[in-house]
Amino acid sequence: DAKTTQPPSMDCAEGRAANLPCNHSTISGNEYVYWYRQIHSQGPQYIIHGLKNNETNEMASLIITEDRKSSTLILPHATLRDTAVYYCIVRGSGGGADGLTFGKGTHLIIQP
Amino acid sequence: GAVVSQHPSWVICKSGTSVKIECRSLDFQATTMFWYRQFPKQSLMLMATSNEGSKATYEQGVEKDKFLINHASLTLSTLTVTSAHPEDSSFYICSATGGIASVALHFGNGTRLTVT
Repeated sequence: DAKTTQPPSMDCAEGRAANLPCNHSTISGNEYVYWYRQIHSQGPQYIIHGLKNNETNEMASLIITEDRKSSTLILPHATLRDTAVYYCIVRGSGGGADGLTFGKGTHLIIQP
Repeated sequence: GAVVSQHPSWVICKSGTSVKIECRSLDFQATTMFWYRQFPKQSLMLMATSNEGSKATYEQGVEKDKFLINHASLTLSTLTVTSAHPEDSSFYICSATGGIASVALHFGNGTRLTVT
C-alpha cells in the first residue's frame, strides 16, 4: 500500500470548517483513500473513503485531486467532539481482506 | 450497523498470568478479524490477521506462542496474552470485516491491559 504524509497537528476553531490534508504521491490506480479518526482511548472510527471522485457523507467530505496524489478531508462545522487523531490511509482493492496500515496521523484540536 | 464489541475494556493482571480478550461482531458476520496494539503516543500496529476457521497470520516480530488468537466462529475472535509481562501493557484493539465485499473495517473500543 502507498505511503501517506500528514501534518502532525492542526488547530481549528469550533464552528469552522476543518480541512485536513494528506499526500499520497505514490498511490496506484486501484488504491482507495480511506480516512479514520481515533478519539482518545477509543478504537478508530471509519469516516469516509474514495477512489477518484469527491465523496460526501453525514460526517465529512473527501476531495481528491485529479492526479490522485493528494486529498483533503473536510469537516464542515467542527465541534469540540471532533478533536481526535485523523488517519489518512491508502488501501489496495483487496478490500476487506486486508488490514490497515496506520501512520502517525494528524492530531486535530478544535478550539472553543 | 457494523458494530464490533470488545471485552473487557480494561484489565489489570499480575506478571506471569494469562489474559483473554474477546472481540465480537454484533450485527454482521466477520470473515476476517484483525488485532492491533497501540503503545502510548504511538500509532496502531497490526499484530495478526485471522480468518474464521483457520490459523492466524502474524506480523513480523509478533510471537504467535505468546499472543494466541482463536477465530472459531464468524462473530467471535479471542486474543490471549500468555505469561504476560509488564512490557505487554498496551492498548489492544480488534477490527472486523465481512470480507472482500466489505468497504471498511470496523473497530472495537479497545482493551487497556496493565501488567503489574
